[in-house]
Amino acid sequence: QKEVEQNSGPLSVPEGAIASLNCTYSDRGSQSFFWYRQYSGKSPELIMSIYSNGDKEDGRFTAQLNKASQYVSLLIRDSQPSDSATYLCAVSHSTLTFGKGTMLLVSP
Amino acid sequence: KAGVTQTPRYLIKTRGQQVTLSCSPISGHRSVSWYQQTPGQGLQFLFEYFSETQRNKGNFPGRFSGRQFSNSRSEMNVSTLELGDSALYLCASSPARDEQYFGPGTRLTVT
Repeated sequence: QKEVEQNSGPLSVPEGAIASLNCTYSDRGSQSFFWYRQYSGKSPELIMSIYSNGDKEDGRFTAQLNKASQYVSLLIRDSQPSDSATYLCAVSHSTLTFGKGTMLLVSP
Repeated sequence: KAGVTQTPRYLIKTRGQQVTLSCSPISGHRSVSWYQQTPGQGLQFLFEYFSETQRNKGNFPGRFSGRQFSNSRSEMNVSTLELGDSALYLCASSPARDEQYFGPGTRLTVT
């Protein structure tokens, strides 16, 4: 069974700090990797996708992928209170499998 | 470009009834996937449709079914509702197979 594991949190960081969110997956055949942000009461919003080993940067967000270690991470630089949300890691191999998410709390 | 739309947004049903939920994907997207989200289980994949054909199916009982129309709009149906079917049902569309964009969801409450 395909599994995607995330620490449920909450991960608490002060405003301006770097938030580091981690995810491991079990299916070695996985080919596409995504990070979604979900605010309370809202639907998930795609914020990053990564397909090859290494880093991918988009504004304050950096996704990191290590297929050998079956590990995906998301770094959020200069964290803002508006970043407070649940971050879902999703891994694709024919279907998309989601982790249960990590709650991030950014305090002013 | 307009996003994914889902109707209705909220629904209250009683046990034993059936329900149909509707999803209109982003224009040009041919793949539509459905997910169930609950606090305990998280986001769980129900099924995926592409060009009116079911391409993948998750591990849900046969009471859950879906279909896709020629204009890519999709419906899912749940028959003989159970209390445990109370959840947020999310539809997501994709231009091909990978990046999926979610609609606002339908909150179903079964009493």
